[in-house]
Amino acid sequence: NAGVTQTPKFQVLKTGQSMTLQCAQDMNHEYMSWYRQDPGMGLRLIHYSVGAGITDQGEVPNGYNVSRSTTEDFPLRLLSAAPSQTSVYFCASRARKGEKTYEQYFGPGTRLTVT
Amino acid sequence: LAKTTQPISMDSYEGQEVNITCSHNNIATNDYITWYQQFPSQGPRFIIQGYKTKVTNEVASLFIPADRKSSTLSLPRVSLSDTAVYYCLVGDLHSNAGNMLTFGGGTRLMVKP
Repeated sequence: NAGVTQTPKFQVLKTGQSMTLQCAQDMNHEYMSWYRQDPGMGLRLIHYSVGAGITDQGEVPNGYNVSRSTTEDFPLRLLSAAPSQTSVYFCASRARKGEKTYEQYFGPGTRLTVT
Repeated sequence: LAKTTQPISMDSYEGQEVNITCSHNNIATNDYITWYQQFPSQGPRFIIQGYKTKVTNEVASLFIPADRKSSTLSLPRVSLSDTAVYYCLVGDLHSNAGNMLTFGGGTRLMVKP
């Protein structure tokens, strides 16, 4: 299993540009989520999904859209990039509801810089 | 969601046992306690999870007192490679709130030679 994969690893955008960060998992996990981590800070939840076709907002959803058309993929779209969105973005997944674990598997992250 | 409080940083030396305590005074009946480790430039990695008393795995032990208002992550005989940020999360795994657990600032552990 590849686990959770993210592309690209690095990205530089100009203010106002849009882009999609890709995330995929091959563990058949129902739950997937996106976090951002600013330098020296903890992770903040952007959006999450409890299954294909179902998404919901996290702590800091403004400026981001998500969709979940398949179990495997959970892309994060930046609508109009702003310097405040400069951060490292992590995608994570975990097993289905009812499992007695909160073990999330994280991807390697995408380092985004907005100039 | 239960609020957690951890020390911002800790220093230790190789070979010592390290105990990191997390306070969660408003923990709810169905909440579990989970710890993650994060190395620089990497995503967090699950370490251990528990509900009450003591849990041990090959990496760490988790001690939870009877009132569950705090928990202690114990790392035996740390090495330089244990230098990382450690996060404590508390929440109900089986509710929608459990999908929104967030990571606070964590505890930065520095292991010195």
